[in-house]
Amino acid sequence: QQPVQSPQAVILREGEDAVINCSSSKALYSVHWYRQKHGEAPVFLMILLKGGEQKGHDKISASFNEKKQQSSLYLTASQLSYSGTYFCGTLYTGNQFYFGTGTSLTVIP
Amino acid sequence: NAGVTQTPKFRILKIGQSMTLQCTQDMNHNYMYWYRQDPGMGLKLIYYSVGAGITDKGEVPNGYNVSRSTTEDFPLRLELAAPSQTSVYFCASSYGTSSSYEQYFGPGTRLTVT
Repeated sequence: QQPVQSPQAVILREGEDAVINCSSSKALYSVHWYRQKHGEAPVFLMILLKGGEQKGHDKISASFNEKKQQSSLYLTASQLSYSGTYFCGTLYTGNQFYFGTGTSLTVIP
Repeated sequence: NAGVTQTPKFRILKIGQSMTLQCTQDMNHNYMYWYRQDPGMGLKLIYYSVGAGITDKGEVPNGYNVSRSTTEDFPLRLELAAPSQTSVYFCASSYGTSSSYEQYFGPGTRLTVT
């Protein structure tokens, strides 16, 4: 029942834009986004709350469509440092947190 | 602040052995979590705690136990290790519920069971 992300993998050239999608089969009340570089721990990027409030990164934006149970992460003018695996995550029942399936992003010069 | 610290960084266990993975946070966070991440996969919640003395199962709790006697510490116990428990284990903490607050992760423990 984990959220499903698309695409699974994407390769970009520096300066290009990317969109990563996160879809849930259950109602979403908030969505987290994290980035994980190879061999490291996930790092928080952004949280989107019901009602439109966002907290997090100043160079990455995201949207949250509660009706469609979807969230999208927008990476503009990508930099080499954006490479990594991106995970969305959400709370379902109680305090059970589920991470999404992940999207591998590679930025090349 | 050190944030979330985990020990050990690496460990090799033989099948049937037991061990405890340590996790400590110095941010006075109420919520703490244990995740496992198999190679090339996402993170799955093993156990979580909403405060000292309160723990609950996550998605994949079988073969593990936890305790939370203080706000700072949240150890994970593996009993009778099996090859299927080979994974990277991450501890995380948050100030409040994940419906509103981000999670901070420790550096992880890489465990191999042979």
